[in-house]
Amino acid sequence: KAGVTQTPRYLIKTRGQQVTLSCSPISGHRSVSWYQQTPGQGLQFLFEYFSETQRNKGNFPGRFSGRQFSNSRSEMNVSTLELGDSALYLCASRIGGPTTDTQYFGPGTRLTVL
Amino acid sequence: ILNVEQSPQSLHVQEGDSTNFTCSFPSSNFYALHWYRWETAKSPEALFVMTLNGDEKKKGRISATLNTKEGYSYLYIKGSQPEDSATYLCASIQNTGTASKLTFGTGTRLQVTL
Repeated sequence: KAGVTQTPRYLIKTRGQQVTLSCSPISGHRSVSWYQQTPGQGLQFLFEYFSETQRNKGNFPGRFSGRQFSNSRSEMNVSTLELGDSALYLCASRIGGPTTDTQYFGPGTRLTVL
Repeated sequence: ILNVEQSPQSLHVQEGDSTNFTCSFPSSNFYALHWYRWETAKSPEALFVMTLNGDEKKKGRISATLNTKEGYSYLYIKGSQPEDSATYLCASIQNTGTASKLTFGTGTRLQVTL
């Protein structure tokens, strides 16, 4: 079974631009969560999508948004990029039941904002 | 405890040593606790999902215990090996009624040398 895939793996953008990251979950998994990892803040939860609906949301500004498609693939969008958005963005998928299910992480997208 | 805290921040042990780390989390509205291992240049890998007070889980030389009343979990590694070198993360899930709140600790970085 293929694992969680994320594209692109690396991205360089400039301040003010917007970016879209993609995550393909493990086949059969209906829940996709997004996380931001920065050296100073550690791993922080952005949001979770389940069956095309946002089910949970972390404390991030509205510039961070996401969506999920009917095939469970998910995209995350960050508008008006700031230098502080430079981070590793991870997505994780799970079957979709309660949050006691095991989560499987993708390799991440490394975003650098110049 | 309002946040998820892990101690120590880093640990350096020799091969064969046994070691343990602590994860402290809010005990109110507790729903589940996850442990992950994150090796450099790889994706976080789920180790355990724990839900019940007094839970004890084991995977090879690694085991974990959970105390939901006082809000802590211990992760033990018996006979550390160099391949155990990684950052160990815990994540607490609180059920706030309308949504789940997931919070990661900042991790314990373990280095095992020969």
